[in-house]
Amino acid sequence: QTVVTQEPSLTVSPGGTVTLTCAPRNGEVTSSFHPNWFQQKPGQPPRALIYSTTNKHSWTPARFSGSLLGGKAALTLSGVQPEDEADYYCLLYYGGAQPWVFGGGTKLTVL
Amino acid sequence: EVQLVESGGGLVQPGGSLRLSCAASGFPFSRYWMTWARQAPGKGLEWVANLKEDGSETYYVDSVRGRFTISRDNAKNSLYLQMNSLRDEDTAVYYCARGAEPFAEASHWGQGTLVTVSS
Repeated sequence: QTVVTQEPSLTVSPGGTVTLTCAPRNGEVTSSFHPNWFQQKPGQPPRALIYSTTNKHSWTPARFSGSLLGGKAALTLSGVQPEDEADYYCLLYYGGAQPWVFGGGTKLTVL
Repeated sequence: EVQLVESGGGLVQPGGSLRLSCAASGFPFSRYWMTWARQAPGKGLEWVANLKEDGSETYYVDSVRGRFTISRDNAKNSLYLQMNSLRDEDTAVYYCARGAEPFAEASHWGQGTLVTVSS
């Protein structure tokens, strides 16, 4: 069973910067995993933020950016706003019969 | 505006079947890969299945392969998920989603429909 790990929870102060990471339990992320990132607030469906590592959707706020960092996929929020408090999920591409796998999610608290 | 509206959820007994539908509008449905994902109560997201624009390729998470079937009707702008041999662990909100550029998986999401498997 493929397991993708994320930090269970992180806390950041308003206006601060925070980086969330995502990686297979055993292994590194490369660009061929095409990391996608999603934000989900309570009672709402997920909203896509980033695809293929670094690409933003037209609706993605400029303070969100994606990258590869130390063998992991990374989502960085710069100048965090109170409304950024949410759960964040990564999605990695493995190809084959089961091509996509979500990470376990990170609960981001803005405090 | 892209709109995806799921329906067909409800309460079903273990071993039973259910068919979910997703009505799509606001975009050329036949030009996009479509995806089902789910979220158990209080848990994280799980990618379930997707299929190609013309329905010729389908992919599934291991836990549902052989029990669930994803399909589409491009003439009706509709996506389906036939779920058989349902188990307690299939209880979740099921979301329909649309891709965008290559490897932009699930860029647009519906509001979801709740499936509860319980006796």
